[in-house]
This record gives sequence, C-alpha cells and structure tokens, in this order.
Amino acid sequence: DAKTTQPPSMDCAEGRAANLPCNHSTISGNEYVYWYRQIHSQGPQYIIHGLKNNETNEMASLIITEDRKSSTLILPHATLRDTAVYYCIVRVSGGYQKVTFGTGTKLQVIP
Amino acid sequence: SAVISQKPSRDICQRGTSLTIQCQVDSQVTMMFWYRQQPGQSLTLIATANQGSEATYESGFVIDKFPISRPNLTFSTLTVSNMSPEDSSIYLCSAQGTGTGATEAFFGQGTRLTVV
Repeated sequence: DAKTTQPPSMDCAEGRAANLPCNHSTISGNEYVYWYRQIHSQGPQYIIHGLKNNETNEMASLIITEDRKSSTLILPHATLRDTAVYYCIVRVSGGYQKVTFGTGTKLQVIP
Repeated sequence: SAVISQKPSRDICQRGTSLTIQCQVDSQVTMMFWYRQQPGQSLTLIATANQGSEATYESGFVIDKFPISRPNLTFSTLTVSNMSPEDSSIYLCSAQGTGTGATEAFFGQGTRLTVV
C-alpha cells in the first residue's frame, strides 16, 4: 500500500470548515483513498473513500487532486464532537486487503 | 455496515496469565483482523484471522504469543498469552467484506488491557 503523509495536528474553530490534507504521491492506479477517524477511547470509524472523483456523504467531503497525489478531507461545519485523530489510508481495491494505519492528524475543534 | 462487539471491554490482569478477547460480528464477513494500539500510538496490525485455517501474522507478532481462532464467518478470538506489562494496550477487532470495488473496514470498540 502507498505511504501517506499527514500533519500531526490541526486546530479548527467550532462551526468552521475543517480541511485535513493528505499526501500520497506514490499512489497507484488501483488504490483508493480512505479516511477514518478515531474519537478518544473508541474504535476507528469509517468516514469516506474515493478513487479519483470528489465524493460527499453526510459526514464529509473528499477532494482528490487530478494527479491523485494528494487529497483533502473537509468537515463543513466542525463541532466539538469532531475532535479526533483522522487517518488517511490508501489501499488497493477489492477485498482481502488489510488496512494499515499511519500516524494520522489530531484535530482539535476549539469552542 | 457491520456491527462488531468485543468482550471484555476492559480488564486488569496479572503478569504471566493469559486473556482471551472475543469478537462477534452481526453479519457474515470474509475478512477479520486484530490490531493493537499502544498508549498514544496508532493502530498496528497483529494478524489476519482466516476462517478455517491458521491466522496470518504480521512481522513482530507470533502465534505462540497471540493465538487466534476463527471458527466461523462471524466470530474470532485473540488470546494474549503469558502477559507482561508491555502488553498493556487496546486490542481492536476489525471486519470487512469483499468485493470487486472498495470495501470499508469496521471496528469494534476495543478491549483495554492493563497488565500489572
């Protein structure tokens, strides 16, 4: 699986958009970009994934650059409950693939 | 989506003893995994629990220390054997389906183990 690089920490004001970047310059054509988050003392939670097109669901939006070497997770209106560690992961498509976690970004939402 | 239940949610154990952690998924899944998360660290994959065959262990993890069972498509156990304080961690179970496209993984809430 391709390696990802994320900033170790970020702050965001409550109610503002949180934009979490991820670099994955060695991503290959059949690898998807996944985002998970881990709220303190809980198991990781799936947020969103994409291959090449931008994606949006009820939790977040995922913007993938045209060359697919980086992406941004957007939480449109951050709340205090969004304080968590956010993991960007790239992995090949299809089943039978394990999920390998990097160090992630610790997002602190500030009142 | 899949709901994953782990038992126990936490335990305090004496060194030299063993603890078996159970993972139950509410639907049949092809892939199940066990992770360890040491304090303040990210998740590290221990092994893939294979149904009907021996688990596949990652580098640094061995079957004698972390025996795993997977008797069917919805259940797995991880045993932490001959525990030492260094084994104090959160242990997480994960499950995912298989398909031709992207498949997300689901996680249990973890078992917080303290070895004294």
